[in-house]
Amino acid sequence: EDQVTQSPEALRLQEGESSSLNCSYTVSGLRGLFWYRQDPGKGPEFLFTLYSAGEEKEKERLKATLTKKESFLHITAPKPEDSATYLCAVFYNTDKLIFGTGTRLQVFP
Amino acid sequence: DADVTQTPRNRITKTGKRIMLECSQTKGHDRMYWYRQDPGLGLRLIYYSFDVKDINKGEISDGYSVSRQAQAKFSLSLESAIPNQTALYFCATSVAGQPNTEAFFGQGTRLTVV
Repeated sequence: EDQVTQSPEALRLQEGESSSLNCSYTVSGLRGLFWYRQDPGKGPEFLFTLYSAGEEKEKERLKATLTKKESFLHITAPKPEDSATYLCAVFYNTDKLIFGTGTRLQVFP
Repeated sequence: DADVTQTPRNRITKTGKRIMLECSQTKGHDRMYWYRQDPGLGLRLIYYSFDVKDINKGEISDGYSVSRQAQAKFSLSLESAIPNQTALYFCATSVAGQPNTEAFFGQGTRLTVV
């Protein structure tokens, strides 16, 4: 079954405490993996696209990496404004875009 | 102005009523999508359209219908609303082509069926 799984469901960090979010997928013919940030009551906001294993993208305190089975979103020295739900999504053979259930991140001062 | 606009932003309706959610985009994208979001279930695909003449069911299309009136407009209808259709609904767009590029989302419509 085509599936995208994110872990953990929720993560509480102290400001400055680095960590990683995981997105594992079981789809055939991956055509792109996307990371989004979603704030409460708002639409997802695009962060990164990764297309092939070994690829990495960085933006401020965030770094996304991709292997053949999973992607990681590394958060270095997070700040309270990084608190949000982080969503992973994949395009694959059927050309549909499917999402994981997200990781809710809270960063405390 | 937002690139992907959803109307209404909030709606409360009664069980059995017909309701339409509208989405318009100024990005010039061919592909449009409707998702619903429920706590703990994430974003689930209802319908998607790759161009005006192409409509496809997603994973949870039962109880919903769509219309692609133009490249820029994609509406979602609930023919007879029921309480378990209470959710946050999102429209999204993307450009066709390989490799696939990211989807852009509207701000959402919060629908409550009472």
